[in-house]
This record gives sequence, structure tokens and C-alpha cells, in this order.
Amino acid sequence: AQSVAQPEDQVNVAEGNPLTVKCTYSVSGNPYLFWYVQYPNRGLQFLLKYITGDNLVKGSYGFEAEFNKSQTSFHLKKPSALVSDSALYFCAVRDISRDDKIIFGKGTRLHILP
Amino acid sequence: DTGVSQDPRHKITKRGQNVTFRCDPISEHNRLYWYRQTLGQGPEFLTYFQNEAQLEKSRLLSDRFSAERPKGSFSTLEIQRTEQGDSAMYLCASSSQGANEKLFFGSGTQLSVL
Repeated sequence: AQSVAQPEDQVNVAEGNPLTVKCTYSVSGNPYLFWYVQYPNRGLQFLLKYITGDNLVKGSYGFEAEFNKSQTSFHLKKPSALVSDSALYFCAVRDISRDDKIIFGKGTRLHILP
Repeated sequence: DTGVSQDPRHKITKRGQNVTFRCDPISEHNRLYWYRQTLGQGPEFLTYFQNEAQLEKSRLLSDRFSAERPKGSFSTLEIQRTEQGDSAMYLCASSSQGANEKLFFGSGTQLSVL
């Protein structure tokens, strides 16, 4: 069965510093991988995805993520954090080899400190 | 693209009552998902459809929960004999498949069971 894990409940980063939000996954075949963001009292918004091709994918608001097949990871990164990046971030996976559903991690709360 | 619509936005009900939620997906999307989210947690998979076919229902879901997508367009989620533990945000999302695959979420239905 597929699974996705976000090992950190919360990440604190000073404004202007680089940030990383971790995600690891487990699938039997090939994955589609996604990152979503949720601001307070708002719906889930798509940030970026990995389907195939380049391991480094770029998304909205200056975020990027690197697909690492050997480490089964898809960490979210940004070179310089903004206070406005403070939100809940969710990683999601779908095992396309089994044409499975999309499932989400439990989320990581990102705090950017001024 | 008018987005994913959910109705109602809020529902307050008494324990033991039945409730039904509606989701109107983006018209060209063949996949429709239902998730449940509690405060600060990740979306929990409930069920999903491809066109009118229900592909999977979460094994964690009691028989009180049922969903339909009768014509492959809108979907309904019904909860019978509601319990206080059913209180949550119920999210609907739709997607196409392949290279353009990504979930578009509705604003959700917030259920409060008194």
C-alpha cells in the first residue's frame, strides 16, 4: 500500500533564510507527488507536482521540490523565506503503477520568524 | 473553469440526524474525491470516483457514510445517524488524469454535530 510521511509537525525558519519541509513516500511502483499549502481559514492550494522528467520541479510563490527516487523523498524548498510563507504544508502521493488514489501526509506547520 | 463548488458551507445538526453534502466538480474532470479534515490535520481520504464508478471507499469509514456520483457529474456524501466524532470539514476535490493531473479543492462543508 502507498503511504506518505511528513516527519516534522512544525518547522521554524528566520525570514530570509532558506527553508526545507520534508516529505518521504512509499509506493510499489512509480509516484505522482504533490505539495499543497493551506493558509488560515482558507482552502488547499496547489503548489507544485512531480509527474515525470526533471527531478527538480518549480512551483508557485518561489517554491521548488526535488524528487529523489533512491531516498523516496520529495522535500519542499525555498531559497529565501518570507513571513507570508507561514502556513500548513501538505505532501501528497499517488501510485500511478497501481492507478491508486491520492493520499495526503499529516502536514507540517511552517513558521517564518520576522 | 468555475472551480469546485460545495454546498452547504456550514451544517449544524443534532446527533442521530442524517446529513447530505453536495459537490459540483470542474466539468471536464473525471475523478472526484472526498476527504475529511480536522483542525491542523491532513486531509483524510474517504472515497473517490472515476466518472460514475466508485473506485474505493476507505476501510476506516463506517457504513453510516455513503457517496454517489450518479451521472458522473456532481456527487453527494451522506452521513446517517451522525455522531459528535463526525464533526469536521468535508472536502471535495476533482482532477483530470495524466500530465495535467492535480486536485482542485472546493471550500468544504464544515459539519458540527451537537
